[in-house]
Amino acid sequence: RKEVEQDPGPFNVPEGATVAFNCTYSNSASQSFFWYRQDCRKEPKLLMSVYSSGNEDGRFTAQLNRASQYISLLIRDSKLSDSATYLCVVNDENQAGTALIFGKGTTLSVSS
Amino acid sequence: ETGVTQTPRHLVMGMTNKKSLKCEQHLGHNAMYWYKQSAKKPLELMFVYSLEERVENNSVPSRFSPECPNSSHLFLHLHTLQPEDSALYLCASSQDLSGLIFQPQHFGDGTRLSIL
Repeated sequence: RKEVEQDPGPFNVPEGATVAFNCTYSNSASQSFFWYRQDCRKEPKLLMSVYSSGNEDGRFTAQLNRASQYISLLIRDSKLSDSATYLCVVNDENQAGTALIFGKGTTLSVSS
Repeated sequence: ETGVTQTPRHLVMGMTNKKSLKCEQHLGHNAMYWYKQSAKKPLELMFVYSLEERVENNSVPSRFSPECPNSSHLFLHLHTLQPEDSALYLCASSQDLSGLIFQPQHFGDGTRLSIL
């Protein structure tokens, strides 16, 4: 069974903290990786794609370790508005086509 | 404003009713998807359409029937649903299905469905 595993949390951190989320995936053939953010009772929104070399977007840094089948998301200088559920997403392939596999998400709560 | 619009936002229906969920994307994408999100569970892919052809059907019960009349519109027809079908149903679109390098999906706001 091809899966994406995440620590559900919740992660409760103060403003300004640095927090890291981890994600493991089981399909070694996966080629595309993403982090999505989902606010309570809202739709998932793309936060960033994850590239082999690692990539950074402002306070957010994503890294990929193919050998360990591991993806991470680092958030620096946490803001109250970062409170959300962060979904690790990996592509899967099957005979019928391609699809995205979503993790259950990691919940972050940033407090003042 | 999202480029993917879903209606209705909320739907309450009895188990014997027939209703349809509608999704429209304004992004010029060629692939569209239906997902189910239940509490405490990851998003479950239900159907995938590419250029109006269904390319994925993830063992979804026949009481869910998708329809894709054109690349901008996707419907999910509901009939004789069960209480466990209560969930958030999300529509998404992506540029296309491009093989190994998968393009990110853009989601609509979802329809929150409650089955009485």
